[in-house]
Amino acid sequence: RKEVEQDPGPFNVPEGATVAFNCTYSNSASQSFFWYRQDCRKEPKLLMSVYSSGNEDGRFTAQLNRASQYISLLIRDSKLSDSATYLCVVMGGGFKTIFGAGTRLFVKA
Amino acid sequence: NAGVTQTPKFQVLKTGQSMTLQCAQDMNHNSMYWYRQDPGMGLRLIYYSASEGTTDKGEVPNGYNVSRLNKREFSLRLESAAPSQTSVYFCASSESSPPTEQYFGPGTRLTVT
Repeated sequence: RKEVEQDPGPFNVPEGATVAFNCTYSNSASQSFFWYRQDCRKEPKLLMSVYSSGNEDGRFTAQLNRASQYISLLIRDSKLSDSATYLCVVMGGGFKTIFGAGTRLFVKA
Repeated sequence: NAGVTQTPKFQVLKTGQSMTLQCAQDMNHNSMYWYRQDPGMGLRLIYYSASEGTTDKGEVPNGYNVSRLNKREFSLRLESAAPSQTSVYFCASSESSPPTEQYFGPGTRLTVT
């Protein structure tokens, strides 16, 4: 079993839709959680950190469920520019950083 | 402020050849990292340098060596390239140790034939 698992998608949604991604992790001792965004043939960039209390940044909401060992990302009112691959990142302490394989999102007009 | 830069952007090697991938950051970050990204897989950590003068193995270090030349520069060397090392290589840096946000370079696309 992979340490971090994501649904690879692709998710195809119309503009204005709400879309949610989940990511599960296997190490219950994991300490920090992030969502990165990666555009085609580009480098990953931090989208948002994920806190135990959940956090929101504009149209994006991230949540952590430690009991079930998953994190989620909700995108409201999808824009064409949201089309990208979304990477779940879990840190287990120290420098151990585990990336999920990513979920591809296509937003169409 | 260029952030994290990598050279070269593309490289084709024959099996057995050697090469060094260069990475530099101008953000005065303490920690630097080398990752590889393969289709259908997440980025995997090859080596990291928590601070100038230190390097440590990550998840997939075999076949690679690194040098933290100074605070700005962190290079990755393939001594004898193999087709299994065909990948996209990303360098990253972070201000804090352990890292929170990591800043990535644009990547090097390496093909080994």
